[in-house]
Amino acid sequence: AQTVTQSQPEMSVQEAETVTLSCTYDTSESDYYLFWYKQPPSRQMILVIRQEAYKQQNATENRFSVNFQKAAKSFSLKISDSQLGDAAMYFCAYRSFHHTGANSKLTFGKGITLSVRP
Amino acid sequence: GAGVSQSPRYKVAKRGQDVALRCDPISGHVSLFWYQQALGQGPEFLTYFQNEAQLDKSGLPSDRFFAERPEGSVSTLKIQRTQQEDSAVYLCASSLRGGYYEQYFGPGTRLTVT
Repeated sequence: AQTVTQSQPEMSVQEAETVTLSCTYDTSESDYYLFWYKQPPSRQMILVIRQEAYKQQNATENRFSVNFQKAAKSFSLKISDSQLGDAAMYFCAYRSFHHTGANSKLTFGKGITLSVRP
Repeated sequence: GAGVSQSPRYKVAKRGQDVALRCDPISGHVSLFWYQQALGQGPEFLTYFQNEAQLDKSGLPSDRFFAERPEGSVSTLKIQRTQQEDSAVYLCASSLRGGYYEQYFGPGTRLTVT
């Protein structure tokens, strides 16, 4: 079974600064997807960024980028130019590449609460 | 277009009561997932439907939990004889088809069992 670990429960960043959120995972599969989800206080989970394990290039989405280290099973999220609206819980998640039936589910870490100081 | 909706948003139940939580997925989405999120934790998978077929229910914590999607659209998660440990937010997500496509989440139903 796959596991996702987020060991930092909370982080804080000054507005306009850069912050990195850490995530490690464990799997015996060679192909898979990794995600970062954002859950604001209203609780609707939204996808921030996605990485396919077979791609060597790190994914980027505007101010959000990842550092994917497959051998180390590490998947960190970097938020540049932090904004007040970035304050939320962030979850790292894993999904099997073989996305049929039961393998379609997401496995989440415990999450990290990010606060942004004005 | 409309996103995933869930109702009720909040539910308070006395221990031993039955509850039913509803999920309306995005129109045309084949796949539907239920997750349980305890306070301060990440969501945990409960069950998965493809159209009306329940393909995986390995995450349901006990036989008191039952889910259905009879016409392949709206889904209901039913919890019988609720216990205090059932208190959590129940999230529903839908995707176009299976695993490749993004899962879109609803706002969740916060269940409190007193």
